Amino acid sequence: EAQVTQNPRYLITVTGKKLTVTCSQNMNHEYMSWYRQDPGLGLRQIYYSMNVEVTDKGDVPEGYKVSRKEKRNFPLILESPSPNQTSLYFCASSSGGVSPKQYFGPGTRLTVT
Amino acid sequence: GESVGLHLPTLSVQEGDNSIINCAYSNSASDYFIWYKQESGKGPQFIIDIRSNMDKRQGQRVTVLLNKTVKHLSLQIAATQPGDSAVYFCAQEDSSYKLIFGSGTRLLVRP
Repeated sequence: EAQVTQNPRYLITVTGKKLTVTCSQNMNHEYMSWYRQDPGLGLRQIYYSMNVEVTDKGDVPEGYKVSRKEKRNFPLILESPSPNQTSLYFCASSSGGVSPKQYFGPGTRLTVT
Repeated sequence: GESVGLHLPTLSVQEGDNSIINCAYSNSASDYFIWYKQESGKGPQFIIDIRSNMDKRQGQRVTVLLNKTVKHLSLQIAATQPGDSAVYFCAQEDSSYKLIFGSGTRLLVRP
């Protein structure tokens, strides 16, 4: 089954404790992206990657890091999480081209206390 | 379930009626538009897309209309069912496969 998976689905952590949210897709997509979703603000792009070893900032990259060492994986790293990073996070992938629709993962609910 | 938008505009329709969800977009240079459905506790799910060289596209029970003159996009759902209850987002391609999302509309289907 074609899908985007994320782990963990739920995470409660404390300020400053480094964490990684994993994302994996099995569709051989070149493009991957991370979004955060907050009430009233919709989906905002954090980082994206056009291909292996190619990443770039989205609209809200501060406090986040990403890496793309393999085509299928695109982990999101929070080196020193803060309470304002409490949010719902989605990973997405796309084959690009003439129909760049993005397929979304199930989401990761992060709470930073 | 998860709340994705506490102050979303809400459309309430009777089961079996048609629904029309509207979206105004900002970037007149966009070439690609897409509608997503998000159910509580799940990620956005693709519904239908349209390119700027078209003004209408139909899928199964759904139709997307694009009016480039007034930068308006709409999603029509025929014979709305309880399973259609969700938050609906429009999005436009900005550049480099980047999507800009609208804030969403909550669709409630009354039995």
